[in-house]
Amino acid sequence: GENVEQHPSTLSVQEGDSAVIKCTYSDSASNYFPWYKQELGKGPQLIIDIRSNVGEKKDQRIAVTLNKTAKHFSLHITETQPEDSAVYFCAASDSRADGLTFGKGTHLIIQP
Amino acid sequence: DAGVIQSPRHEVTEMGQEVTLRCKPISGHNSLFWYRQTMMRGLELLIYFNNNVPIDDSGMPEDRFSAKMPNASFSTLKIQPSEPRDSAVYFCASSLQGVETQYFGPGTRLLVL
Repeated sequence: GENVEQHPSTLSVQEGDSAVIKCTYSDSASNYFPWYKQELGKGPQLIIDIRSNVGEKKDQRIAVTLNKTAKHFSLHITETQPEDSAVYFCAASDSRADGLTFGKGTHLIIQP
Repeated sequence: DAGVIQSPRHEVTEMGQEVTLRCKPISGHNSLFWYRQTMMRGLELLIYFNNNVPIDDSGMPEDRFSAKMPNASFSTLKIQPSEPRDSAVYFCASSLQGVETQYFGPGTRLLVL
């Protein structure tokens, strides 16, 4: 089955700086890669996703890049703000019968 | 718009008791997922329904766990008998169709003493 590795487990950045979280996956058949943000006491919330026919996708301050050859994808957050503090999860799926396989999460801390 | 609704939000029970968690997906969504979240194992898929039919239950830990979806607007996850190692947050998620664009509920925090 799919295995997703996520790094780092904790990331602390100064407010206004950029943050990058990286994930690798094992199953070359995977073709859907979402990113979720989870705030304390809440369920994960989808913030951006990318499909394997696209190399990069942007939504305001958030961008995701995908390298299918190397089997890794990354989340980039620019101009970080205090409300960006949360746990971020990457995931992968081959969009067939299997569900999502999640990484272990990155605790992003925005220092004022 | 109401999101995914889960009940109860918190459950404390004693080892050996039956626990039933409930989920109401977003209206019109045809796929429903149950996940378990723990510090040690992270977010794990337990079972996935499509049009009320279980598609993938390979994540269900053992026979003590069972899930049903009797209609498009309701699903249950049952643990019988419960054990302390079942303590976790259980999330339900739904999507229009398939694994893409899943919306998660607020979760049920289960503590088995």
